[in-house]
Amino acid sequence: DIQMTQSPSSLSASVGDRVTITCRASQSISSYLNWYQQKPGKAPKLLIYAASSLQSGVPSRFSGSGSGTDFTLTISSLQPEDFATYYCQQSYSTPRAFGQGTRLEIK
Amino acid sequence: QVHLVQSGAEVKKPGASVKVSCKTSGYTFTSYGISWVRQAPGQGLEWMGWISGYIGNTNYAQKLQGRITMTTDTSTSTAYMELRSLRSDDTAVYYCARDGELSSHDGFDIWGEGTMVTVSS
Repeated sequence: DIQMTQSPSSLSASVGDRVTITCRASQSISSYLNWYQQKPGKAPKLLIYAASSLQSGVPSRFSGSGSGTDFTLTISSLQPEDFATYYCQQSYSTPRAFGQGTRLEIK
Repeated sequence: QVHLVQSGAEVKKPGASVKVSCKTSGYTFTSYGISWVRQAPGQGLEWMGWISGYIGNTNYAQKLQGRITMTTDTSTSTAYMELRSLRSDDTAVYYCARDGELSSHDGFDIWGEGTMVTVSS
């Protein structure tokens, strides 16, 4: 099975900051990497699919990059509504594993 | 609009079974699959398995093999997930999510609201 590892596990930042979250796969997954945002008590929301494609309706301050085993999610200018937990997920093969999550908190 | 509406919260005793439903609307059910994902309290997301909305073939996480069954009812565009021999560590919020076919790589674009399943004696 493919393992997904995110870093950092938690992150403190301020409104307006540029933030980057990293996700590493245990083997190559081509560009089959998705990013989700989850707020407390809510279902996850798809932000980025296929490593760099922005899901419809998602603000352009979110972007994704990478291929193979190393991927990043970048938020160019943090907004108050962006404080949440972020998960990466591989869709290269089953099981469609998620990373352990990165909790983004207000500094 | 696309919606996935799940059944309500359940409380079960250890050893019992639970069946969660996920009623879909706003899209052609047979053109997509459904994945099930669970989240234990304070923990991350765990993919449980996938079912095709077209043929009904399934792919389950190995750790749940033998305890889980996913089914669909195309007449009502509803997916079901049954988990048997429940243990305390099955306590979690269970989500259904729209997926593609098993060969799809596009992520889960629509999610149900979640169903809390509590396993307690």
